[in-house]
Amino acid sequence: EAGVAQSPRYKIIEKRQSVAFWCNPISGHATLYWYQQILGQGPKLLIQFQNNGVVDDSQLPKDRFSAERLKGVDSTLKIQPAKLEDSAVYLCASSLDQGGRYEQYFGPGTRLTVT
Amino acid sequence: ELKVEQNPLFLSMQEGKNYTIYCNYSTTSDRLYWYRQDPGKSLESLFVLLSNGAVKQEGRLMASLDTKARLSTLHITAAVHDLSATYFCAVEPMNRDDKIIFGKGTRLHILP
Repeated sequence: EAGVAQSPRYKIIEKRQSVAFWCNPISGHATLYWYQQILGQGPKLLIQFQNNGVVDDSQLPKDRFSAERLKGVDSTLKIQPAKLEDSAVYLCASSLDQGGRYEQYFGPGTRLTVT
Repeated sequence: ELKVEQNPLFLSMQEGKNYTIYCNYSTTSDRLYWYRQDPGKSLESLFVLLSNGAVKQEGRLMASLDTKARLSTLHITAAVHDLSATYFCAVEPMNRDDKIIFGKGTRLHILP
Protein backbone atom coordinates (compact mmCIF):
# COMPACT_ATOMS: atom_id res chain seq x y z
CA GLU A 1 0.00 0.00 0.00
CA ALA A 2 1.47 3.35 -1.02
CA GLY A 3 1.86 5.89 1.73
CA VAL A 4 0.99 9.57 1.87
CA ALA A 5 2.91 11.46 -0.80
CA GLN A 6 4.00 15.08 -0.49
CA SER A 7 5.92 17.44 -2.70
CA PRO A 8 8.16 19.25 -2.75
CA ARG A 9 10.30 17.89 0.07
CA TYR A 10 12.18 21.14 0.55
CA LYS A 11 11.48 24.74 -0.38
CA ILE A 12 13.38 27.94 0.25
CA ILE A 13 11.66 31.24 -0.50
CA GLU A 14 12.01 34.87 0.43
CA LYS A 15 9.46 36.56 2.64
CA ARG A 16 6.45 37.94 0.82
CA GLN A 17 6.76 35.27 -1.87
CA SER A 18 4.16 32.57 -2.43
CA VAL A 19 4.49 28.83 -2.10
CA ALA A 20 2.28 25.80 -2.60
CA PHE A 21 2.49 22.29 -1.23
CA TRP A 22 0.82 19.19 -2.61
CA CYS A 23 -0.42 16.07 -0.86
CA ASN A 24 -1.78 12.78 -2.14
CA PRO A 25 -3.31 10.71 0.67
CA ILE A 26 -3.55 6.96 0.96
CA SER A 27 -6.16 5.61 -1.41
CA GLY A 28 -9.56 5.34 0.23
CA HIS A 29 -8.75 7.61 3.16
CA ALA A 30 -11.61 10.03 3.62
CA THR A 31 -9.94 12.39 6.06
CA LEU A 32 -6.95 14.55 5.22
CA TYR A 33 -5.02 16.80 7.60
CA TRP A 34 -2.43 19.53 7.16
CA TYR A 35 -0.14 20.21 10.11
CA GLN A 36 2.55 22.77 10.77
CA GLN A 37 5.48 21.55 12.85
CA ILE A 38 7.89 24.17 14.06
CA LEU A 39 11.29 22.89 15.12
CA GLY A 40 11.18 21.38 18.59
CA GLN A 41 7.38 21.38 18.84
CA GLY A 42 4.54 18.99 18.20
CA PRO A 43 2.46 19.18 15.04
CA LYS A 44 -0.24 21.86 15.04
CA LEU A 45 -3.37 21.18 13.02
CA LEU A 46 -3.98 23.77 10.31
CA ILE A 47 -6.91 22.26 8.48
CA GLN A 48 -8.85 19.01 8.37
CA PHE A 49 -10.90 17.78 5.39
CA GLN A 50 -13.53 15.08 5.35
CA ASN A 51 -13.73 14.09 1.69
CA ASN A 52 -13.70 17.53 0.05
CA GLY A 53 -15.38 19.43 2.87
CA VAL A 54 -13.59 21.37 5.61
CA VAL A 55 -14.12 19.97 9.10
CA ASP A 56 -11.81 22.26 11.06
CA ASP A 57 -9.75 25.25 9.96
CA SER A 58 -9.80 27.19 13.21
CA GLN A 59 -6.00 27.41 13.40
CA LEU A 60 -5.40 28.26 9.75
CA PRO A 61 -4.17 31.88 9.30
CA LYS A 62 -6.71 32.62 6.64
CA ASP A 63 -5.25 35.98 5.70
CA ARG A 64 -2.30 34.18 4.15
CA PHE A 65 -2.96 30.45 4.10
CA SER A 66 -5.45 28.62 1.92
CA ALA A 67 -6.11 24.97 1.24
CA GLU A 68 -8.31 22.90 -0.98
CA ARG A 69 -8.95 19.25 -1.54
CA LEU A 70 -9.68 18.46 -5.15
CA LYS A 71 -12.48 15.95 -5.69
CA GLY A 72 -11.93 14.60 -2.20
CA VAL A 73 -8.49 13.18 -3.04
CA ASP A 74 -5.39 15.36 -3.55
CA SER A 75 -4.91 18.53 -1.58
CA THR A 76 -2.88 21.70 -1.89
CA LEU A 77 -1.84 24.14 0.82
CA LYS A 78 -0.80 27.63 -0.22
CA ILE A 79 0.90 30.46 1.62
CA GLN A 80 0.69 33.94 0.15
CA PRO A 81 2.59 36.00 1.18
CA ALA A 82 5.02 34.05 3.33
CA LYS A 83 6.46 35.41 6.56
CA LEU A 84 9.63 34.43 8.37
CA GLU A 85 7.61 32.70 11.09
CA ASP A 86 6.14 30.33 8.51
CA SER A 87 9.44 28.46 8.42
CA ALA A 88 8.46 24.97 9.51
CA VAL A 89 7.77 21.46 8.28
CA TYR A 90 4.34 21.05 6.76
CA LEU A 91 2.98 17.59 7.27
CA CYS A 92 0.08 16.01 5.47
CA ALA A 93 -1.71 13.06 7.04
CA SER A 94 -4.70 10.92 6.17
CA SER A 95 -6.95 8.50 8.00
CA LEU A 96 -9.74 6.16 7.06
CA ASP A 97 -12.45 8.25 8.62
CA GLN A 98 -13.13 11.11 10.98
CA GLY A 99 -14.41 8.83 13.68
CA GLY A 100 -10.99 8.57 15.20
CA ARG A 101 -11.01 4.81 15.28
CA TYR A 102 -8.01 4.83 13.00
CA GLU A 103 -4.64 6.44 13.41
CA GLN A 104 -3.34 9.06 11.05
CA TYR A 105 -0.69 8.17 8.49
CA PHE A 106 1.79 10.94 7.88
CA GLY A 107 3.63 11.91 4.74
CA PRO A 108 7.34 12.78 4.70
CA GLY A 109 6.64 16.49 5.05
CA THR A 110 7.78 19.62 3.24
CA ARG A 111 10.48 21.63 4.96
CA LEU A 112 9.90 25.33 4.25
CA THR A 113 12.53 27.94 4.93
CA VAL A 114 11.53 31.58 4.57
CA THR A 115 14.46 34.01 4.37
CA GLU B 1 -9.28 24.40 25.28
CA LEU B 2 -7.63 21.01 25.43
CA LYS B 3 -4.11 21.03 26.79
CA VAL B 4 -1.72 18.13 26.43
CA GLU B 5 1.42 17.96 28.54
CA GLN B 6 4.19 15.48 28.12
CA ASN B 7 7.00 14.93 30.54
CA PRO B 8 9.80 14.77 30.52
CA LEU B 9 10.50 16.79 27.39
CA PHE B 10 14.00 15.42 27.20
CA LEU B 11 15.34 12.14 28.51
CA SER B 12 18.81 10.73 28.30
CA MET B 13 19.18 7.19 29.56
CA GLN B 14 21.49 4.25 29.47
CA GLU B 15 20.81 1.15 27.44
CA GLY B 16 19.18 -1.60 29.46
CA LYS B 17 17.31 0.77 31.77
CA ASN B 18 13.54 1.16 32.14
CA TYR B 19 11.71 4.45 31.98
CA THR B 20 8.25 5.95 31.55
CA ILE B 21 7.02 8.92 29.55
CA TYR B 22 3.85 10.62 30.77
CA CYS B 23 1.09 12.30 28.80
CA ASN B 24 -1.47 14.32 30.76
CA TYR B 25 -4.45 16.02 29.18
CA SER B 26 -7.09 18.42 30.35
CA THR B 27 -10.40 17.30 28.87
CA THR B 28 -12.44 14.13 28.59
CA SER B 29 -11.11 11.81 25.96
CA ASP B 30 -11.29 8.13 25.17
CA ARG B 31 -8.84 8.12 22.30
CA LEU B 32 -5.15 8.66 22.51
CA TYR B 33 -2.35 8.02 20.05
CA TRP B 34 1.40 7.63 20.38
CA TYR B 35 3.75 8.48 17.52
CA ARG B 36 7.46 8.22 16.98
CA GLN B 37 9.51 10.72 14.98
CA ASP B 38 13.13 10.20 14.00
CA PRO B 39 15.26 13.29 13.24
CA GLY B 40 14.35 14.77 9.89
CA LYS B 41 11.66 12.19 9.33
CA SER B 42 7.89 12.11 9.55
CA LEU B 43 5.69 10.64 12.29
CA GLU B 44 5.12 6.92 12.60
CA SER B 45 2.10 5.56 14.45
CA LEU B 46 2.98 3.38 17.43
CA PHE B 47 -0.20 2.82 19.40
CA VAL B 48 -3.89 3.63 19.27
CA LEU B 49 -5.58 3.53 22.69
CA LEU B 50 -9.35 3.55 22.45
CA SER B 51 -10.73 2.89 25.91
CA ASN B 52 -10.08 3.28 29.60
CA GLY B 53 -7.61 0.70 30.80
CA ALA B 54 -6.34 -0.02 27.31
CA VAL B 55 -2.84 -1.46 27.26
CA LYS B 56 -0.84 -2.19 24.14
CA GLN B 57 2.66 -3.57 23.77
CA GLU B 58 5.06 -3.76 20.88
CA GLY B 59 8.55 -5.00 21.58
CA ARG B 60 10.12 -2.95 24.34
CA LEU B 61 7.35 -0.33 24.32
CA MET B 62 4.11 -0.52 26.26
CA ALA B 63 1.40 2.13 26.29
CA SER B 64 -1.55 2.47 28.62
CA LEU B 65 -4.51 4.79 29.02
CA ASP B 66 -6.33 5.88 32.20
CA THR B 67 -9.19 8.10 31.08
CA LYS B 68 -10.31 8.84 34.63
CA ALA B 69 -6.90 10.21 35.53
CA ARG B 70 -6.57 11.75 32.03
CA LEU B 71 -3.17 10.12 31.77
CA SER B 72 -1.37 7.90 29.32
CA THR B 73 2.03 6.36 29.82
CA LEU B 74 4.61 5.00 27.41
CA HIS B 75 6.90 2.58 29.19
CA ILE B 76 10.26 1.57 27.81
CA THR B 77 11.73 -1.72 28.98
CA ALA B 78 15.45 -2.46 28.72
CA ALA B 79 16.08 0.43 26.36
CA VAL B 80 18.22 -0.02 23.27
CA HIS B 81 19.90 2.65 21.15
CA ASP B 82 17.45 2.11 18.26
CA LEU B 83 14.66 3.54 20.41
CA SER B 84 16.29 6.97 20.36
CA ALA B 85 13.69 9.30 18.81
CA THR B 86 11.07 11.88 19.74
CA TYR B 87 7.79 10.46 21.01
CA PHE B 88 4.52 12.35 20.75
CA CYS B 89 1.17 11.68 22.31
CA ALA B 90 -1.94 13.03 20.59
CA VAL B 91 -5.31 13.33 22.28
CA GLU B 92 -8.67 13.27 20.56
CA PRO B 93 -11.35 14.98 22.66
CA MET B 94 -14.59 13.13 23.32
CA ASN B 95 -16.32 16.12 21.74
CA ARG B 96 -15.60 15.20 18.15
CA ASP B 97 -16.03 18.80 17.08
CA ASP B 98 -12.75 19.60 18.83
CA LYS B 99 -9.49 18.93 17.10
CA ILE B 100 -6.78 16.48 18.00
CA ILE B 101 -3.95 18.09 19.99
CA PHE B 102 -0.38 16.86 20.04
CA GLY B 103 1.95 17.14 23.00
CA LYS B 104 5.29 18.89 22.61
CA GLY B 105 7.09 15.58 22.39
CA THR B 106 9.66 13.75 24.50
CA ARG B 107 13.09 13.63 22.96
CA LEU B 108 14.61 10.31 24.03
CA HIS B 109 18.36 9.75 23.77
CA ILE B 110 19.62 6.32 24.68
CA LEU B 111 23.30 6.06 25.38
CA PRO B 112 25.11 2.90 24.32
